[in-house]
Amino acid sequence: AQKVTQAQTEISVVEKEDVTLDCVYETRDTTYYLFWYKQPPSGELVFLIRRNSFDEQNEISGRYSWNFQKSTSSFNFTITASQVVDSAVYFCALSVIMGLGSSNTGKLIFGQGTTLQVKP
Amino acid sequence: KAGVTQTPRYLIKTRGQQVTLSCSPISGHRSVSWYQQTPGQGLQFLFEYFSETQRNKGNFPGRFSGRQFSNSRSEMNVSTLELGDSALYLCASSLVEFVTGELFFGEGSRLTVL
Repeated sequence: AQKVTQAQTEISVVEKEDVTLDCVYETRDTTYYLFWYKQPPSGELVFLIRRNSFDEQNEISGRYSWNFQKSTSSFNFTITASQVVDSAVYFCALSVIMGLGSSNTGKLIFGQGTTLQVKP
Repeated sequence: KAGVTQTPRYLIKTRGQQVTLSCSPISGHRSVSWYQQTPGQGLQFLFEYFSETQRNKGNFPGRFSGRQFSNSRSEMNVSTLELGDSALYLCASSLVEFVTGELFFGEGSRLTVL
């Protein structure tokens, strides 16, 4: 069975602090995808990043960076110099493809989410 | 480019009633997936439709159903509502298969069951 664990339920930081959101996943599949989504108060989830299981390169996008480590089954997300606008719920998600040779069928599992509050 | 539109945004129903929620995906997106978000269970996948066919289904009872029309718009229906069905229902569309691609979400339909 697949599982995503975001152990941090809530994090509170002061603006300009760096913050890391942890994500640990479980799957026996060799091919899978990992995602991070941001959910602001308005409700809609916003895509941040996608990684497939064969690409362990870390990525940086502005103040955001992601650290993917297959050895520890982790896909952590760091916000550098946090801002009030970063306040939101952040979800890590895992998807696996079920059909052989096809990406049409699969499962998408979300973690419980981490609520980040950035105070001015 | 218009985003994913969900209607209604808010609704209140009583136990035993049924409800239909609507989702209009981004133009050109053929995959539409639905999710239930509750404080207790978090964000859970309901089902996915692609070109009017249900391709994937999560672990929800048969009271939860859906369909997709030829213009890719989708509806989900919940029959015989229970208190535990109170949730934010999110719809997402994607250009490619939902398990590999970027999902574009709507703002959700918040259902309250009394």
